Amino acid sequence: AQSVTQPDIHITVSEGASLELRCNYSYGATPYLFWYVQSPGQGLQLLLKYFSGDTLVQGIKGFEAEFKRSQSSFNLRKPSVHWSDAAEYFCAVGAAGGYQKVTFGIGTKLQVIP
Amino acid sequence: DTAVSQTPKYLVTQMGNDKSIKCEQNLGHDTMYWYKQDSKKFLKIMFSYNNKELIINETVPNRFSPKSPDKAHLNLHINSLELGDSAVYFCASSQGTSGEHEQFFGPGTRLTVL
Repeated sequence: AQSVTQPDIHITVSEGASLELRCNYSYGATPYLFWYVQSPGQGLQLLLKYFSGDTLVQGIKGFEAEFKRSQSSFNLRKPSVHWSDAAEYFCAVGAAGGYQKVTFGIGTKLQVIP
Repeated sequence: DTAVSQTPKYLVTQMGNDKSIKCEQNLGHDTMYWYKQDSKKFLKIMFSYNNKELIINETVPNRFSPKSPDKAHLNLHINSLELGDSAVYFCASSQGTSGEHEQFFGPGTRLTVL
């Protein structure tokens, strides 16, 4: 069974600073990896996903993530954080074929200070 | 033009009552899900339906009974509500059953059991 670890429960960054949110996964084959964002009081929205090919994936809102198979990681980055980026971020892993669930990490809460 | 909608948005009720949450998607997807998000923001899948058929049923008390009248609707009925059922319940949908598909989430239903 697949699993996801997000080591940081809470991160605080200054507006304009760079951001990296960590995600490690466990899965026996090539995983399908996702980052979702949840703004306060809202449902989850997909930021980006990795299936295969280029290991650097671009997403919406200026986010990118890099898949590193050797480290079983899929870290999310943004060069310059905006106050509106304050939200909860979830990494998720899915498996291909048949009836498969997607497993979500526990989330990282991002706080942005002026 | 809401993609995934849920009603109600808030639900406050007494222990022992029975309540229902409704979900509708207009994306033409064939797979729908119910997730429970606890107070620590942990997101756990409860059920998944594909074309009105139950395909994922995690370890959920049988007081929870999902129903899918057609592939655009997935409702959740909860009998004999308990304090521990207080959470935010999210409906989601995807095109396909495998874990490679992006899921689209509704805005959530915040259930409070007193």
